Amino acid sequence: SQTIHQWPATLVQPVGSPLSLECTVEGTSNPNLYWYRQAAGRGLQLLFYSVGIGQISSEVPQNLSASRPQDRQFILSSKKLLLSDSGFYLCAWSRDRPLDYTFGSGTRLTVV
Amino acid sequence: AQSVTQPDIHITVSEGASLELRCNYSYGATPYLFWYVQSPGQGLQLLLKYFSGDTLVQGIKGFEAEFKRSQSSFNLRKPSVHWSDAAEYFCAVVFTGTASKLTFGTGTRLQVTL
Repeated sequence: SQTIHQWPATLVQPVGSPLSLECTVEGTSNPNLYWYRQAAGRGLQLLFYSVGIGQISSEVPQNLSASRPQDRQFILSSKKLLLSDSGFYLCAWSRDRPLDYTFGSGTRLTVV
Repeated sequence: AQSVTQPDIHITVSEGASLELRCNYSYGATPYLFWYVQSPGQGLQLLLKYFSGDTLVQGIKGFEAEFKRSQSSFNLRKPSVHWSDAAEYFCAVVFTGTASKLTFGTGTRLQVTL
């Protein structure tokens, strides 16, 4: 069966520090991968998506970047965190046929 | 422009009462439609989805949703709400030709009073 792993579950980081959140998928190949962010009291905003290794599309300009070094690995990074980067980050994967999405359990990031 | 809207930010209902959460979209064709629920501090759970066919869709936990093309809506309903239904509910849409990107509404927070 397919599973998605996202870690860490919680993270407290000082302003200006780097960030690396990792997401891995098991049990499938060539998934579409996504990073979403949910800021406090707001909906889910798509940050990045990837349809293949090394293929990253950014949805909004920001202080973050994403990489897909392997087929089932998706990494969200920042060189220097801002207070505004605080939020709940969700990784997800999808397949096209049938269209279905699976979300990770999320990472709550607090930048202090 | 393609968009999805949840007009109600916060709804309060009494336990046992019926519930309807609204979702509207703006698109020239029929998108793929989803409803998710998020309990506090948790990830997302799929309640139901609509791609085509019967416009009344049954989901988990006693929820249903009806697709109305003429109104560009996909409202979520439940005949009798339980206290455990208190959560945040998200309508989400995939607009065809967008690399299967799931676009979320801003969410509706449901509070259930006893």
